[in-house]
Amino acid sequence: DTGVSQDPRHKITKRGQNVTFRCDPISEHNRLYWYRQTLGQGPEFLTYFQNEAQLEKSRLLSDRFSAERPKGSFSTLEIQRTEQGDSAMYLCASSLTGGDQHFGDGTRLSIL
Amino acid sequence: DQQVKQNSPSLSVQEGRISILNCDYTNSMFDYFLWYKKYPAEGPTFLISISSIKDKNEDGRFTVFLNKSAKHLSLHIVPSQPGDSAVYFCAASARVNDMRFGAGTRLTVKP
Repeated sequence: DTGVSQDPRHKITKRGQNVTFRCDPISEHNRLYWYRQTLGQGPEFLTYFQNEAQLEKSRLLSDRFSAERPKGSFSTLEIQRTEQGDSAMYLCASSLTGGDQHFGDGTRLSIL
Repeated sequence: DQQVKQNSPSLSVQEGRISILNCDYTNSMFDYFLWYKKYPAEGPTFLISISSIKDKNEDGRFTVFLNKSAKHLSLHIVPSQPGDSAVYFCAASARVNDMRFGAGTRLTVKP
């Protein structure tokens, strides 16, 4: 299967802890996106990369959030000092430039 | 700010009939629109798209209609099948990068 892969699928952590999620895009896709989805809402854009360059960040992405794509392939999203409001599904998508985005199955984060 | 709105949280349709899912947007800069389908525990799956230079795009049982003057688009599924039961998200972008999603409509197709 050469779709978008996200790891882990579920993460449960205590408030105040740091968490890191990984996304492996479709291999030939140069763009990678992170979204957050809460219950009853559609995905909300967080940030995107073209190759290794982070080109856009949403105002939703507070200072506690950081995303990297060091070699232009996989990406990580880190949340520091997690808060209750960070509980959500974190979705990754990838695309070719100008192409349609293909989503992974997401990482569900639960903050205790 | 809710730039893309799906006002019907749910829709129930009989198998074989037409399903019509609606979506409204407020940003006149949007020029590309997509529909995604989402099953439980899976990520959204791309279904069909339309650029603002068109008013209709068809792919098999799925047709998307765009009414730019009304800032409205709709997805028609005909005939509807039980396997179409899922949450459908409408999305729009001003460039093909930064998409805004609606809150979704849960479609149930009854056998």
